[in-house]
Amino acid sequence: GAVVSQHPSWVICKSGTSVKIECRSLDFQATTMFWYRQFPKQSLMLMATSNEGSKATYEQGVEKDKFLINHASLTLSTLTVTSAHPEDSSFYICSATRGGRETQYFGPGTRLLVL
Amino acid sequence: QQQVKQSPQSLIVQKGGISIINCAYENTAFDYFPWYQQFPGKGPALLIAIRPDVSEKKEGRFTISFNKSAKQFSLHIMDSQPGDSATYFCAASNTQAGGTSYGKLTFGQGTILTVHP
Repeated sequence: GAVVSQHPSWVICKSGTSVKIECRSLDFQATTMFWYRQFPKQSLMLMATSNEGSKATYEQGVEKDKFLINHASLTLSTLTVTSAHPEDSSFYICSATRGGRETQYFGPGTRLLVL
Repeated sequence: QQQVKQSPQSLIVQKGGISIINCAYENTAFDYFPWYQQFPGKGPALLIAIRPDVSEKKEGRFTISFNKSAKQFSLHIMDSQPGDSATYFCAASNTQAGGTSYGKLTFGQGTILTVHP
């Protein structure tokens, strides 16, 4: 159990467009979901934490108007990269926890390339 | 104080050897220490985790050693196999933290492990 999926797995878009990435917990209810970005050969950088039905909490330096996060249900969170630019190209990964437990289960990641 | 320092940055071992990756932390409030394995182009997968009430935890070929007084913990991979070649991340969190810190993981910088056949 504890499977997290992401869609799409990779996306290429033009500069200035918006891209939505979905994160789903397939076999459990995720009370909290986290969004990370990872540049090549680097560690994971936490972007924001979202709890179902409430506003996301963004890490320092992350633009909340650029990276819109919605956690509308206990199994789905979305990250929308608005007006994407080439510097937004990265590997975006979500994770989820269930019922107050500490373990984070990660999705397979979404590779975003902005041309 | 939130940092987790991981070493080495990269590690090469021969098949059958022991791989050892070390992490050190500063925040004494951390009470949960997981290790994640990540293959290229994939998300991290939980390998093994430990809480500070035990000094060692073993699952198959993977062992975490934990030294609370030194604020250090390490991952040992016994009988390393080419299939273990991946990036390994240690992490830490304060499971008692409330508010915006709840559940947050602080990651180490990662170790690229290469196991030669």
